[in-house]
Amino acid sequence: AQSVTQLDSQVPVFEEAPVELRCNYSSSVSVYLFWYVQYPNQGLQLLLKYLSGSTLVESINGFEAEFNKSQTSFHLRKPSVHISDTAEYFCAVEGGATNKLIFGTGTLLAVQP
Amino acid sequence: DAGITQSPRHKVTETGTPVTLRCHQTENHRYMYWYRQDPGHGLRLIHYSYGVKDTDKGEVSDGYSVSRSKTEDFLLTLESATSSQTSVYFCAISDGGMNTEAFFGQGTRLTVV
Repeated sequence: AQSVTQLDSQVPVFEEAPVELRCNYSSSVSVYLFWYVQYPNQGLQLLLKYLSGSTLVESINGFEAEFNKSQTSFHLRKPSVHISDTAEYFCAVEGGATNKLIFGTGTLLAVQP
Repeated sequence: DAGITQSPRHKVTETGTPVTLRCHQTENHRYMYWYRQDPGHGLRLIHYSYGVKDTDKGEVSDGYSVSRSKTEDFLLTLESATSSQTSVYFCAISDGGMNTEAFFGQGTRLTVV
């Protein structure tokens, strides 16, 4: 069975500062890894994903995540955040034939001016 | 946006009454999922479906049942609602394979009083 750990429930950061949201996973099989973002009162949207190939994946709005198999991590980073990045971010893992997505508990990124 | 519609969007019901939430998709995706979102728990999988009349339990299935008689509809039923089932419920769909992105509905806020 797969599981995901997001140790930080909330990360406050000032605008234009860098940020890292941590995600660790456990799995006995090869996995796909995802970051989803949820803006207030909305559903979740895919931010980026790792399926295979290059371990560094990027989103269109400046976020990136690196798959580290030895450390079983998939941390999300952005070099300079904006107020509009304020949202809850969920790391998720999928493995096996059923395409079940298992989510972490989420990290609220609070960007302050 | 992926064509997913959840109904109702908000509902208040009394303890002990049956409740059915509906998820309707226009994407012809094979897989459909029901999650509940609670503070501190992230999203937890209730049930999922991998085809018409093919369903299976997720991690928090007690007190819930599902049905999928058509590709486009996935119903979640609370047989006898309890206060612990007060939550925000999300439906998600995916077409499986290597493109395993899941698309989420806008959510249903259910309050059991």
